[in-house]
Amino acid sequence: EAAVTQSPRSKVAVTGGKVTLSCHQTNNHDYMYWYRQDTGHGLRLIHYSYVADSTEKGDIPDGYKASRPSQENFSLILELASLSQTAVYFCASRVGAETLYFGSGTRLTVL
Amino acid sequence: GQQVQQSPASLVLQEGENAELQCNFSTSLNSMQWFYQRPEGSLVSLFYNPSGTKQSGRLTSTTVIKERRSSLHISSSQITDSGTYLCAMERMGSALGRLHFGAGTQLIVIP
Repeated sequence: EAAVTQSPRSKVAVTGGKVTLSCHQTNNHDYMYWYRQDTGHGLRLIHYSYVADSTEKGDIPDGYKASRPSQENFSLILELASLSQTAVYFCASRVGAETLYFGSGTRLTVL
Repeated sequence: GQQVQQSPASLVLQEGENAELQCNFSTSLNSMQWFYQRPEGSLVSLFYNPSGTKQSGRLTSTTVIKERRSSLHISSSQITDSGTYLCAMERMGSALGRLHFGAGTQLIVIP
């Protein structure tokens, strides 16, 4: 069974602070993704990566950075957290044109 | 505008009833997937269904690419089917894995 682990599970951050969300996969998948979900909405793609040391912008990259230091790890970084970034964040991995495997999500609250 | 439209937005069934969830796309698609989001928030892949019909237990997914639509049929609904059903499409010509999600159908099954 594919495994994608996110940390932390939840976090409260202050406006203007730095936040790092981490994702680790043991699937040996090349592709990794960060999505955000707002209450009552579907998921939107923030950043993704095809290979270690390379990241690509998704549909809503403003205010976010991503880092893929190894095949297994993919981080999402909020340098200056804002109220509008309060959401649930999901990491996912995928191999080829197959289904996505999601982590359990990180609930981020910015105050 | 919204590229993926899901209907209905919400649905209440009595246990044992069937349901048909719809997903319509405004652009040409390469493939699409259906996901189930549990009430506590975690996401599970149901179908990777680029075209045609796939069945898994009580669930059947049908995608008609030419008509830009997909449906998810749930037969003999159970209380444990309650949650949110999300469809996501991969646009023709877009990078692999850039899924666009609908807002979801919230399903509540009552005894």
